[in-house]
Amino acid sequence: GQNIDQPTEMTATEGAIVQINCTYQTSGFNGLFWYQQHAGEAPTFLSYNVLDGLEEKGRFSSFLSRSKGYSYLLLKELQMKDSASYLCAVLDSNYQLIWGAGTKLIIKP
Amino acid sequence: ETGVTQTPRHLVMGMTNKKSLKCEQHLGHNAMYWYKQSAKKPLELMFVYNFKEQTENNSVPSRFSPECPNSSHLFLHLHTLQPEDSALYLCASSQDGEGGAGELFFGEGSRLTVL
Repeated sequence: GQNIDQPTEMTATEGAIVQINCTYQTSGFNGLFWYQQHAGEAPTFLSYNVLDGLEEKGRFSSFLSRSKGYSYLLLKELQMKDSASYLCAVLDSNYQLIWGAGTKLIIKP
Repeated sequence: ETGVTQTPRHLVMGMTNKKSLKCEQHLGHNAMYWYKQSAKKPLELMFVYNFKEQTENNSVPSRFSPECPNSSHLFLHLHTLQPEDSALYLCASSQDGEGGAGELFFGEGSRLTVL
């Protein structure tokens, strides 16, 4: 079966750095996506990786290793507004998104 | 105006009621989706429409009936639901084509409670 694993919850301090890991086992691979979802709001697209390596976008970076079935989302200079759930998803061989259950990130002052 | 709009935002219904959820996208996308989101579970894909044609139905019970009259509008008709159907129902759209299928634009969701 297809599976995406990510931690259920993480806590970090304002101003610090946090890394959210995601491992996957899917039928084929056509890209890995990270979404952010604030409580009570819609998920919003954050990043996309299809080749190995690091993609940087401001305070957020996303890394992919296809051989290891592994990705992480790195958030730097954490702000209170970064408190949200972060969803990892893989586009499989049928171009369908397979979703993880999400990581709830709690930022403390 | 947001790109994807869903109504109603909240809905409470009894098990014998019939109601509909509505979704409208203003992004010019050709693919639209219904997802179910339950607490601490992955998003569950329910239906996909590409160019108004249903291309995916993930074994969803017949008490959920989708309708896509054009590429901008999507409905989810609800009939004789069960309490376990209580969840957040999210509509999304994307550019048609394989490359765009991973970047979804979501509506705010319709929070459904079945009594």
